This record gives sequence, structure tokens and C-alpha cells, in this order.
Amino acid sequence: SSELTQPPSVSVSPGQTARITCSGDALPNQYTYWYQQKPPQAPVLVIYRDTERPSGIPERFSGSSSGTTVTLTISGVQAEDEADYYCQSADNSGGTFPVIFGGGTKLTVL
Amino acid sequence: EVQLVESGGDLVQPGGSLRLSCAASGFTYNSSWMSWVRQAPGKGLEWVANIKQDGSEKHYVDSVKGRFSISRDNAKNSLYLVMSSLRVEDTAVYYCARAPRDYYFYDTSGYYINWFFDLWGRGTLVSVSS
Repeated sequence: SSELTQPPSVSVSPGQTARITCSGDALPNQYTYWYQQKPPQAPVLVIYRDTERPSGIPERFSGSSSGTTVTLTISGVQAEDEADYYCQSADNSGGTFPVIFGGGTKLTVL
Repeated sequence: EVQLVESGGDLVQPGGSLRLSCAASGFTYNSSWMSWVRQAPGKGLEWVANIKQDGSEKHYVDSVKGRFSISRDNAKNSLYLVMSSLRVEDTAVYYCARAPRDYYFYDTSGYYINWFFDLWGRGTLVSVSS
């Protein structure tokens, strides 16, 4: 089965650009979605279909895709962006439709 | 208000059973795929199960197949997860989530299916311990 790999942590200073990657063999053949979670709160969808932003999500959040890697970019990071971020896709290799999540990346705003 | 509210989490012994509920409001529940997603303490997210709008199609992660059952009551705008033969590793916060189905078209007629989660409840804690 496929896996999604994220860096455990990313640190940036306020106003800088944060880039969080998600890698997996299944990604060229699937959309990727991104969630923000500020523990102990529930996750919030911030990017869908690789690059689309739901209503209410700030424009500083954007997504991109290239081959087996997708990237969540947060431009002009603010203190409130400190959170855990998870990518999510699907594994189509086994004939079923299991949803898969990356292990999560903790974004620290210095 | 658009929201999902879970209930039913509890402390249960290994081998025991539990029924989780999720009350939906503020959106057209009977038009939505729904899911359960869990998060073990200090760990990441894990999808558990999906159910189609009319309950006719269900999917489960391998680790819960045969032990967990997802169901829904559209008249009550409610989603359920019946968990049996519980294990210590099932300890987690269980989230109810609305799960739109998405399609990735790799050519003019072929596509892969996925789901994503655009509305989440606050979760309910299930602890499995002796």
C-alpha cells in the first residue's frame, strides 16, 4: 500500500514563507488535500484538489503539485498559523479506496 | 449553524463494545457521504470508515474490518459507529466528518475515486484499557 511522507517539523519566522512537503508514489494519480489542526481542536480543510482553497481560508495558503511531491505553501506566516498540518490522498493500488494521511508536520512560528 | 457533534466516547475494557453517535445540523445530511476519522493520543489522523448517502456503500480501513460497523439514520440526521472487540490500539479521539467524494480523471473516461473531509466535529474520546 502507498504511504505519504511529511517532514516532522518546519520552523519559520513571522512574515517568512513556510513550505511543507508531502511525498508519495500515489500522488501523480490522485488529488491531495491539506488540513490544519491546532490541538486540541478538530482539523480544518485548507487546500483541496492540490491547489484549491475553501472559502474562508486566507489567500496566504496555497498548494502545488509536481510528480510525487505536493507542497503546502504559507506566505507571510503569522503566529496564528502555528499548527499541525496533514496531507491526505488515496491509495488506488489495492483495488479498494482507502483514504491515507501523511504523518503530519508541526509548523513552529519562531 | 453547520455542525457535527459526536457523543458516546467512554473508557472500555479490551474486548468490549461501544457505540458512537454523531448529530449533524445546518446542511443537507442525506446528500452527504460521511466518515469517521480517529487520532490516537499524540499521533496523526487515521481514516476509519465511510458511508454513502443512502447507506448502500461502506468502506473500512483494514484494521477495523469485521469489528466496526458504520451506519446512518437520515431521518434523525445521525451517523453511528458500532465498535466491538475493542483493542488497546483503538484508543483515540474519534471525529465525525462530512466526506465529499471526489474524482481524479487520468484520461477522458478513466478516473480514481477519493474522499476529503470538509466539515469536522470536535471529537469524542474512546479509551480502551483494563
